[in-house]
Amino acid sequence: AQSVTQLDSQVPVFEEAPVELRCNYSSSVSVYLFWYVQYPNQGLQLLLKYLSGSTLVKGINGFEAEFNKSQTSFHLRKPSVHISDTAEYFCAVTESGYQKVTFGIGTKLQVIP
Amino acid sequence: DTAVSQTPKYLVTQMGNDKSIKCEQNLGHDTMYWYKQDSKKFLKIMFSYNNKELIINETVPNRFSPKSPDKAHLNLHINSLELGDSAVYFCASSQDIASGNTIYFGEGSWLTVV
Repeated sequence: AQSVTQLDSQVPVFEEAPVELRCNYSSSVSVYLFWYVQYPNQGLQLLLKYLSGSTLVKGINGFEAEFNKSQTSFHLRKPSVHISDTAEYFCAVTESGYQKVTFGIGTKLQVIP
Repeated sequence: DTAVSQTPKYLVTQMGNDKSIKCEQNLGHDTMYWYKQDSKKFLKIMFSYNNKELIINETVPNRFSPKSPDKAHLNLHINSLELGDSAVYFCASSQDIASGNTIYFGEGSWLTVV
């Protein structure tokens, strides 16, 4: 069965500093990996996703993530954060061929001015 | 045009009441979902419908009953509301997620039971 672990529940970071939000998954088959962002009082929206091919995936708002199969990780990074990046970030996994997506518990990114 | 729209956005009601949340998607997706997000932001799937047929029904009290009149609509009816039902309820839709398609979420319905 698939599972997702987001190792940090909260990540405070100063404005213009780099950030990495960690995500590890568990699955016995090939997977699709996603990062969703939830701004305050809004629904979730897709930030980026990995389906196949290049392991480095670029998303909206300057975010990128790298799929590492050997470490079963899909960490999200941004070289310089902005106040507007303050939000909850969810990692999610779907097993290829299965109609189920599993979300992590979320990481709250708090950007400090 | 809002892709996934749900109403009402805010709902405050007393224990024991019955309430409904409506959802519509204009993306032409075959699958629709209801998710519940608690105060700690944990996101839990409740139901999933594919072309009006129920395909996922997680452990949810019988007081919660989804209804899909057509593949563009998925409503959620809740009977005999309890304090613990207070949460944000998200409607969502997608094409076949087994192929890696994205899930599109509505803005959420904030339910407060007093």
